[in-house]
Amino acid sequence: AQSVSQHNHHVILSEAASLELGCNYSYGGTVNLFWYVQYPGQHLQLLLKYFSGDPLVKGIKGFEAEFIKSKFSFNLRKPSVQWSDTAEYFCALREGPQLIWGAGTKLIIKP
Amino acid sequence: DTGVSQNPRHKITKRGQNVTFRCDPISEHNRLYWYRQTLGQGPEFLTYFQNEAQLEKSRLLSDRFSAERPKGSFSTLEIQRTEQGDSAMYLCASRPEGGANVLTFGAGSRLTVL
Repeated sequence: AQSVSQHNHHVILSEAASLELGCNYSYGGTVNLFWYVQYPGQHLQLLLKYFSGDPLVKGIKGFEAEFIKSKFSFNLRKPSVQWSDTAEYFCALREGPQLIWGAGTKLIIKP
Repeated sequence: DTGVSQNPRHKITKRGQNVTFRCDPISEHNRLYWYRQTLGQGPEFLTYFQNEAQLEKSRLLSDRFSAERPKGSFSTLEIQRTEQGDSAMYLCASRPEGGANVLTFGAGSRLTVL
C-alpha cells in the first residue's frame, strides 16, 4: 500500500531561520504530490503541488519543494521563515481519486 | 462566501446517538470528498462523489457511516449509533472536474462522543 511519512512531528524555529520539512512516500509509479498547510483555526489549503516536469516547484508565501525520485522524497523548504508561518504542514500523495496523507508537522516560529 | 461550507462546526453527542453533518461545496465543483482527521494524524479518506454518484468508499468505513449527495450539490454524512472512537474532525472538500486532486477544504465539523 502507498504511504506518506513525515519525519518531524514538531519543529520549532526562530524567525528568519531556514526551514526544511521532510516528506517521503512509497509508490513506484508516476506520482502527484502535494503540500497543504493548516493555519491555527483555519481550513487546510494548498501550498504547492508537483505533477510532472521541473522537480523544483514553487508555491505560495515563498515556499518551495523539491521532488527527488531516487529518494522518494518531496521536502518542503523556505529560506527565511516568519512568525506567520506557524501552522501544521501536511504532505500528500495522490492515489487514484483520493489523497494519502502524512501525519503532519507542527511548525512553531518563535518571534 | 464561495468556499466549502460545513455545518455544524461542533457537535457533542452521547454514545449511541445518530449525528448528521452537512457539506455545501463550491457550486461549480462536481467532485466532493469526505475525510476524517484525528489528533496527530493526517486526514483519512472516507468517501467521494462525482455529482450524485458515490464512486468510492473506504474499506475502513463502518456500516454505521453513510453519505449522500442527492442532487449533486450538498452532501450529508450520517453516523448512526455513535461510538467514542468516532470522535474526530470530519472534513469535506471539493474540486472541479479535471481539477487534478487539488482540493478545496471546508473548516470541518468536530464531533465529540461522550
